Amino acid sequence: DQQVKQNSPSLSVQEGRISILNCDYTNSMFDYFLWYKKYPAEGPTFLISISSIKDKNEDGRFTVFLNKSAKHLSLHIVPSQPGDSAVYFCAASAFNAGNMLTFGGGTRLMVKP
Amino acid sequence: EPEVTQTPSHQVTQMGQEVILRCVPISNHLYFYWYRQILGQKVEFLVSFYNNEISEKSEIFDDQFSVERPDGSNFTLKIRSTKLEDSAMYFCASSDRNEQFFGPGTRLTVL
Repeated sequence: DQQVKQNSPSLSVQEGRISILNCDYTNSMFDYFLWYKKYPAEGPTFLISISSIKDKNEDGRFTVFLNKSAKHLSLHIVPSQPGDSAVYFCAASAFNAGNMLTFGGGTRLMVKP
Repeated sequence: EPEVTQTPSHQVTQMGQEVILRCVPISNHLYFYWYRQILGQKVEFLVSFYNNEISEKSEIFDDQFSVERPDGSNFTLKIRSTKLEDSAMYFCASSDRNEQFFGPGTRLTVL
């Protein structure tokens, strides 16, 4: 089941620079997309979301972009901080599927001081 | 800030035994979920629960699994007869709209 894919298992970025995490999906019924951050031995922490009626949503240092025609979304973190080092998951849901989340495999972000 | 809590943090059991994983969702949330993550794999949806009944369940959620909201605060996942392959992190989540908030998880180890 590869409905949501994160093709980069890891990403290394210098502190202060931009981090760009990417996610692709195949199911055209998905209408809501979320990004979660996860530390080891903890549950996923909600970061930011976007509805399919929008193409951009910003919250502080975090911006999510949605390209529906390409079935692609990305998370931008500017500026990156060492505390951002974690695994980032994108997830998608469809209104007609009880809001169950389908997760990507995650990207490990390392922000170097 | 309100949060989802889960107990126990770690459960070790023998194959064939029953386990109950407990969750306290965020108090004004109406939708409740269970997910699991087997080591090295994706987070997988198990079941969603709304208005005292299951609204969606995945293929993983077979007859060995059940969920219950026994009172106004707890939400439980029961596995009747555990198998080795049930070893995983189990996450509870709750939501009032689209954003789901997760608990810290219960690590289930089946020996």
